[in-house]
Amino acid sequence: ILNVEQSPQSLHVQEGDSTNFTCSFPSSNFYALHWYRWETAKSPEALFVMTLNGDEKKKGRISATLNTKEGYSYLYIKGSQPEDSATYLCAPISSGSARQLTFGSGTQLTVLP
Amino acid sequence: GAGVSQSPSNKVTEKGKDVELRCDPISGHTALYWYRQSLGQGLEFLIYFQGNSAPDKSGLPSDRFSAERTGGSVSTLTIQRTQQEDSAVYLCASSERTGTEAFFGQGTRLTVV
Repeated sequence: ILNVEQSPQSLHVQEGDSTNFTCSFPSSNFYALHWYRWETAKSPEALFVMTLNGDEKKKGRISATLNTKEGYSYLYIKGSQPEDSATYLCAPISSGSARQLTFGSGTQLTVLP
Repeated sequence: GAGVSQSPSNKVTEKGKDVELRCDPISGHTALYWYRQSLGQGLEFLIYFQGNSAPDKSGLPSDRFSAERTGGSVSTLTIQRTQQEDSAVYLCASSERTGTEAFFGQGTRLTVV
C-alpha cells in the first residue's frame, strides 16, 4: 500500500479566494494519480485521472498539475464558492502488481460565504 | 445498471453476528474495490479485484473479513463475528480497468450494537 500524504489537512477560505492543496507520493513505479471530491453525505466523485509527468488538467475553476519525478500533485481552485466545500482526496497508483487505489487522508476545504 | 449499487444501505447487527454486504458494479467494469470509513477517518482500503486475477487482500484488517466476486460481477464482503469497531460506512467502487476513473456506490452504513 502506497504512502500518500496530503496537505493541509483542513482549510478555511473566504468565498472568492483561490486556494491549492498538495498530494505527495512515492515517485518510483508511478502509474497514475487520481483526484476525487467527497462531499458530506455523498460518495466520492472523480475529478481527474493523470498519468504523464507535466500533465495539467482543468475542469471549470478546478485544475491540477502532476510532477511524477518528484512525486507530487497540486490541486487548484480558483475563485472558491461555498459549493466547493468538500474533502479532496488523491490516490496514486503504482505500476507494480499491487495496483489498488489507495487514498490519502484528504484535505477538507470549507468555503465561507 | 446506471451506477454502482450497494445493499443494504443500512445494517444494524448484534455483536458476534455475521454480516454480508453486497456490491453490484457497473456492467463491464473489471476492477472492483472495497473501502471503509470509520467515524472521523478517511477511506481505508480493504480489498481489490481485477478481472480474473487473485484479489489484493492486503487491506483486510483481520481474518474475520473476507470478500468474493462471483462471475467477475457482483461482490460480497463478509464480516464474521462482528465487533463494535467494525461499525463504519463500507463503500464499494468499480472502474473499467486498473487506473481508470472509479465510480462509487452510496455505501452501506454498518452499526454493531
